[in-house]
Amino acid sequence: AQSVTQLGSHVSVSEGALVLLRCNYSSSVPPYLFWYVQYPNQGLQLLLKYTSAATLVKGINGFEAEFKKSETSFHLTKPSAHMRDAAEYFCAVSSFTGGGNKLTFGTGTQLKVEL
Amino acid sequence: DTGVSQDPRHKITKRGQNVTFRCDPISEHNRLYWYRQTLGQGPEFLTYFQNEAQLEKSRLLSDRFSAERPKGSFSTLEIQRTEQGDSAMYLCASSLGAGAETQYFGPGTRLLVL
Repeated sequence: AQSVTQLGSHVSVSEGALVLLRCNYSSSVPPYLFWYVQYPNQGLQLLLKYTSAATLVKGINGFEAEFKKSETSFHLTKPSAHMRDAAEYFCAVSSFTGGGNKLTFGTGTQLKVEL
Repeated sequence: DTGVSQDPRHKITKRGQNVTFRCDPISEHNRLYWYRQTLGQGPEFLTYFQNEAQLEKSRLLSDRFSAERPKGSFSTLEIQRTEQGDSAMYLCASSLGAGAETQYFGPGTRLLVL
């Protein structure tokens, strides 16, 4: 079985500061990993995904994540936070069963950006 | 590409009533997923369709839940004899299946069972 652990249910940063959201995964097979963002009253939007190509993945809105197999981590970073980044962020790992790409999500990290 | 749409966006019902939700995927997406998200948790997988075939169901999907995707287009999720524990956000996602394809999520249907 695959699982994802997101450390820190709430993270608060100042505008312009570094954003670091942590994600550790457990998988018995090489994983595919995803970061999604959810704004209030909206669906989830894909930020970026790792599919066994480059270990440093760049996504939308200036976010990036680095796959580290030795640490089983896929932390999300952004050099400079903006007020519009305030949202909930979910890390997910996929498992291929029955031909589909079922996602297993972490419990999410609420990012707050302060002036 | 108009995105994934879900209807209704909100549903309030009394315990014991039946409810049905609809999901319209992105046109030509062959895969469709249903997830459930409760407060403070990440989405949890419920079921998956490849075209019109329902290929996997989670243990979370009790016999009160049924999902269909006739003709491989829109999908419906029905909950019979609703319970207060069914209160959650029900999310639909669609994708053009191939490997680790991107799933595109709809805005969700928020269900409150009184």
